[in-house]
Amino acid sequence: EPEVTQTPSHQVTQMGQEVILRCVPISNHLYFYWYRQILGQKVEFLVSFYNNEISEKSEIFDDQFSVERPDGSNFTLKIRSTKLEDSAMYFCASTLDGRVQPQHFGDGTRLSIL
Amino acid sequence: GESVGLHLPTLSVQEGDNSIINCAYSNSASDYFIWYKQESGKGPQFIIDIRSNMDKRQGQRVTVLLNKTVKHLSLQIAATQPGDSAVYFCAEPSNTGNQFYFGTGTSLTVIP
Repeated sequence: EPEVTQTPSHQVTQMGQEVILRCVPISNHLYFYWYRQILGQKVEFLVSFYNNEISEKSEIFDDQFSVERPDGSNFTLKIRSTKLEDSAMYFCASTLDGRVQPQHFGDGTRLSIL
Repeated sequence: GESVGLHLPTLSVQEGDNSIINCAYSNSASDYFIWYKQESGKGPQFIIDIRSNMDKRQGQRVTVLLNKTVKHLSLQIAATQPGDSAVYFCAEPSNTGNQFYFGTGTSLTVIP
């Protein structure tokens, strides 16, 4: 069964540094999403992306965050200047089209900010 | 955002017993709900969904019940197995459909 893959599985970064989290969505999917999950808390929406544009973003997704689809397979989340509170699991998800349907999630990147 | 919450944070059941995980929602206009399973170190995995024109939907060993009157849904797992140990989330889409709101999650532990 096709999967969403995320790399790295664990990223440790010094506070203030830039970090890029990478995702390869399911190959024929057109809608992409990033969520985060702080330890012990619920999964929170960050951003949705379609046709090389952000469709929707939450208030968490401030100017420090950006997303990009640099080629036909990768979807990245960049945090420009990391803060301690950015430490969390970051999940990428994708869907085939824009209809409301289950989103397919990757296994996440654990981001630890020191 | 909308509120999707769970009644109990933890649930322990004996292997072979049935499990029931509950979820309350606040948006009476919600017309679609999903249950996800999240195993340790993994991302949420789709289990089953239900639309508001139904009050029950069955899958393999799982059943979701929707009570729109009290804005409550439940996930029933029949003959619970050790592999069912995980955190279970209910989720509903936003009005735009671009995101899902997740509940806090219930941690299910199956005792062999």
